[in-house]
Amino acid sequence: DAGVTQSPTHLIKTRGQQVTLRCSPKSGHDTVSWYQQALGQGPQFIFQYYEEEERQRGNFPDRFSGHQFPNYSSELNVNALLLGDSALYLCASSAQGDSNQPQHFGDGTRLSIL
Amino acid sequence: AQSVTQLGSHVSVSEGALVLLRCNYSSSVPPYLFWYVQYPNQGLQLLLKYTTGATLVKGINGFEAEFKKSETSFHLTKPSAHMSDAAEYFCAVSRPMVQGAQKLVFGQGTRLTINP
Repeated sequence: DAGVTQSPTHLIKTRGQQVTLRCSPKSGHDTVSWYQQALGQGPQFIFQYYEEEERQRGNFPDRFSGHQFPNYSSELNVNALLLGDSALYLCASSAQGDSNQPQHFGDGTRLSIL
Repeated sequence: AQSVTQLGSHVSVSEGALVLLRCNYSSSVPPYLFWYVQYPNQGLQLLLKYTTGATLVKGINGFEAEFKKSETSFHLTKPSAHMSDAAEYFCAVSRPMVQGAQKLVFGQGTRLTINP
């Protein structure tokens, strides 16, 4: 049973570019959340997708956008990259019907902005 | 708004000694509480969680935590540290939901070092 998978594992971009990160949820999960973890910090919630719609959003600018596909996989898009966007981006999945079950995390995508 | 404070960004203990990682939370509603562990270059792995019921929660790898509402705390303990416990530990809080998972609010993390 595959867990949460994210791609790519590492990515290097330059300021002003755009990036797309991908996430496949754990089997049986239908909800995907994205978190940004800056170096030496705890993860911060970006947004959550369910039924192909953004259901919750954290305090991130509109440069951060997402999408969820019918197979529950998800993409995180970041436009006009800034140096401060350098971080580990974590995807977490969960099942809508199991409020007592925790979110399962992938290993993340390490994004470096030059 | 919810928040988490982890006291001590670095904790160092000897192998075989007690591990105590401190977490205090702020929440306007009864919270769900979690401890996650992160090894280098990896994502987060759930150690244990408190939702409702028994306030002493046992998790994986010999860890446990006790929910103390009066102290708004959820400290993580392990009686005897092992070298493999060296990692970053995160405490997190969320609001209870009827369905689905609410967003997690994380603390800043505590780096645990084990001395031989």
